[in-house]
This record gives sequence, C-alpha cells and structure tokens, in this order.
Amino acid sequence: QKEVEQDPGPLSVPEGAIVSLNCTYSNSAFQYFMWYRQYSRKGPELLMYTYSSGNKEDGRFTAQVDKSSKYISLFIRDSQPSDSATYLCAMSAGHNDMRFGAGTRLTVKP
Amino acid sequence: EPEVTQTPSHQVTQMGQEVILRCVPISNHLYFYWYRQILGQKVEFLVSFYNNEISEKSEIFDDQFSVERPDGSNFTLKIRSTKLEDSAMYFCASTATSGGRDQYFGPGTRLLVL
Repeated sequence: QKEVEQDPGPLSVPEGAIVSLNCTYSNSAFQYFMWYRQYSRKGPELLMYTYSSGNKEDGRFTAQVDKSSKYISLFIRDSQPSDSATYLCAMSAGHNDMRFGAGTRLTVKP
Repeated sequence: EPEVTQTPSHQVTQMGQEVILRCVPISNHLYFYWYRQILGQKVEFLVSFYNNEISEKSEIFDDQFSVERPDGSNFTLKIRSTKLEDSAMYFCASTATSGGRDQYFGPGTRLLVL
C-alpha cells in the first residue's frame, strides 16, 4: 500500500463549482497535513496546513482531516479558471520530512 | 514577499559529471530541504538540513548526493557522478518551523543528464 494515495484526475469542472480533492494515507504517525498548488513547471505553493484532525478555512479553501479514517480533503468554493493547477496533498510525521501524493490535475472551465 | 530562489533554472550535463544545484532559502528560515520530481511523477523528499547537519534523508539520498550550507545564505545539493535517472526537477524548500510543515518551495532546477 502506498504511503499517500491521491487520485491524479484529471478533474474538470465549470467555473463556480465546488471542487473536492482527496487523499488517503497509511502511516498513522502523520500529524501535519498540507495542501500545495503547483502550476506547470513551477514549484509547489503552500495553500494550507492542518495539525491533526479537524477543519481549517481560508477564504474559498477549506481543508478537512479525519485521522480515524486516514482521509484528508480540500474543498474549493466558487472555483475560478485561475484555480486550474495540480493540487498536491502532503503529510509529515513531524520529523522534518514530507511525503507527497501524486497530485490531482484540476481544470476550471469558464 | 520573501521567496526561495534557485539557480540555475536549467542544467544539462553528461552522465558521470558532477553538478551543484544552488538555493537561497528565505532569510529567517532555519530548516532546509531538497526534493526532486521526475517528469510526470510525485514530488519526492530527498533530505532535510538543520543546524549545519542532515536531520533526515530518504533512501534516494545515497552516497552520490551531498548537501552543504557554505555560507549564511546559500544551500547546495551536489550530485557527484550523475546518472541518466537523476534527470528531474529539483526543488529546494525552507521553513522557520520544525516538524516538516509549511515549507516554502523555490521554482526548481530542471536537470537533464545525457
């Protein structure tokens, strides 16, 4: 079983839609959960991070972590064409490394 | 807004040659990282560095790789004898906080080994 699993998509939605992106993981030691956005041929850009279980909201973005199910989500409300990118989940057990999912490629069509 | 910078943006080298990839982390950050991303694959952790020593490394980071902070601003990744399979995008990242969270990434160096 892969340590971090993420559906690579691609995912295509109309502008204004709510987008749901998800990852599952197997390592119960993970306690920090991050979402990055990566545009083509660029470095990952940190969107949000969450410690342990719970929700965190930042503008149109909401991150959810369910440690009991080893499942994390990122919701994007009122999606815009500028949100089109690859979204990477990443996790850390707190030992100064980070494990990434494969990334989900999202296209938001005007 | 402060950002991580990397040079060069692109590097082409012959198999067996040594390459040094350079990074300037955000100035008040204390933890530094290298990752690689082979084309079409996931971002993979290579190494973390704190207080002038390696704190974590992955199985990818073998004896061909080394890292150094030669002065107060630069952080380098050296590959001693490059292989074809080292062709990838290499990202540097830094953070002010321990625990591997909220890391800020540079734009990457695209390495091509021929």
